[in-house]
Amino acid sequence: DVKVTQSSRYLVKRTGEKVFLECVQDMDHENMFWYRQDPGLGLRLIYFSYDVKMKEKGDIPEGYSVSREKKERFSLILESASTNQTSMYLCASEVSNQPQHFGDGTRLSIL
Amino acid sequence: RKEVEQDPGPFNVPEGATVAFNCTYSNSASQSFFWYRQDCRKEPKLLMSVYSSGNEDGRFTAQLNRASQYISLLIRDSKLSDSATYLCVVNVGRGSTLGRLYFGRGTQLTVWP
Repeated sequence: DVKVTQSSRYLVKRTGEKVFLECVQDMDHENMFWYRQDPGLGLRLIYFSYDVKMKEKGDIPEGYSVSREKKERFSLILESASTNQTSMYLCASEVSNQPQHFGDGTRLSIL
Repeated sequence: RKEVEQDPGPFNVPEGATVAFNCTYSNSASQSFFWYRQDCRKEPKLLMSVYSSGNEDGRFTAQLNRASQYISLLIRDSKLSDSATYLCVVNVGRGSTLGRLYFGRGTQLTVWP
């Protein structure tokens, strides 16, 4: 069974802080993704990565960056957290053109 | 125009009812199709892939009409445990093999006793 693990289920940070969300998958998947999900807006893609050290912008990359130094780990970074980044963040991984598998999600609150 | 559109509902049905969800997608280059289920405050989980010939998994039947760019999910004999949000998901290929998923906003289903 594919396991995608996100480092925190719940996180509370302050405006202006640098925030790291970590995601690890154990199935040697090439592709990894970060989404945020907000009521009424559905899942929106922030960044994705097709290989180590590769990254591509999704639909809403502003205010975020990512890091993929190892194949199994994909980190999302909020450079300077703002209240409008309060959301549910979901990490996913996949083999190309196969279904994505999601982590449990991180509920991030920025105060 | 959104890549994937689906009726947000909510659909409220009694146990045992048959309910159908529809979804349309805009990109004719879409390569693969899925239905995901998401319970409240949980992550999306794959319910089933959707194939051109149509496919069935127990009480669930998924169909794809490429000409009309339309996907459907039929749930027969609804159970209380079917209450969830159902996400229509489309993979749009890029270049040789690498694609990305586009998610509909989800259709909310509540099954009542």
